[in-house]
Amino acid sequence: EAGVAQSPRYKIIEKRQSVAFWCNPISGHATLYWYQQILGQGPKLLIQFQNNGVVDDSQLPKDRFSAERLKGVDSTLKIQPAKLEDSAVYLCASSLEWGRSNTEAFFGQGTRLTVV
Amino acid sequence: KQEVTQIPAALSVPEGENLVLNCSFTDSAIYNLQWFRQDPGKGLTSLLLIQSSQREQTSGRLNASLDKSSGRSTLYIAASQPGDSATYLCAVRGNYGQNFVFGPGTRLSVLP
Repeated sequence: EAGVAQSPRYKIIEKRQSVAFWCNPISGHATLYWYQQILGQGPKLLIQFQNNGVVDDSQLPKDRFSAERLKGVDSTLKIQPAKLEDSAVYLCASSLEWGRSNTEAFFGQGTRLTVV
Repeated sequence: KQEVTQIPAALSVPEGENLVLNCSFTDSAIYNLQWFRQDPGKGLTSLLLIQSSQREQTSGRLNASLDKSSGRSTLYIAASQPGDSATYLCAVRGNYGQNFVFGPGTRLSVLP
């Protein structure tokens, strides 16, 4: 079974530039998450999708971050304009179903963003 | 608001020791709890998932327990090996529909 695919693996940009990350979840997984992990900390949720609808984006800095999940499969996360404090690893995860307690979340390798 | 803490923040042990990693959460009304492993520069690998109705789960040398009433989970690693060196994260999912809240992780080093 193929895992969660993310690209690119690494990205270095200057502050105020824009950047986009892509995620392809495990086939058939209805729920998709984007997490931000700052060095030395646990991941923090940015946005959660159920199919192509947003379930939770309460911690997404909407003035600069946006995300979409067209057709309920792939997803893109965009930052525009980037700030120095956005330097982090951006992790995408997916799970089969939203409402079942035995559903595991599976994570991709992440995209390491450095803003200089 | 759910908060998750993990103790210790870092741990260094000689190979072969049995060890326990601790995870605490403030809201006992959880849906499930998942333990992950993260190698440097990599994503998260799922180790064990414990549903709210369960008290423990086992996989190989790993055993995770859950005590909802006290807001605690422990991950027991038997006969540790250098390959176990990684950061271990616990994540709690609140009741139906909520996302995972992660702890800060425990960085484990197993010395040969």
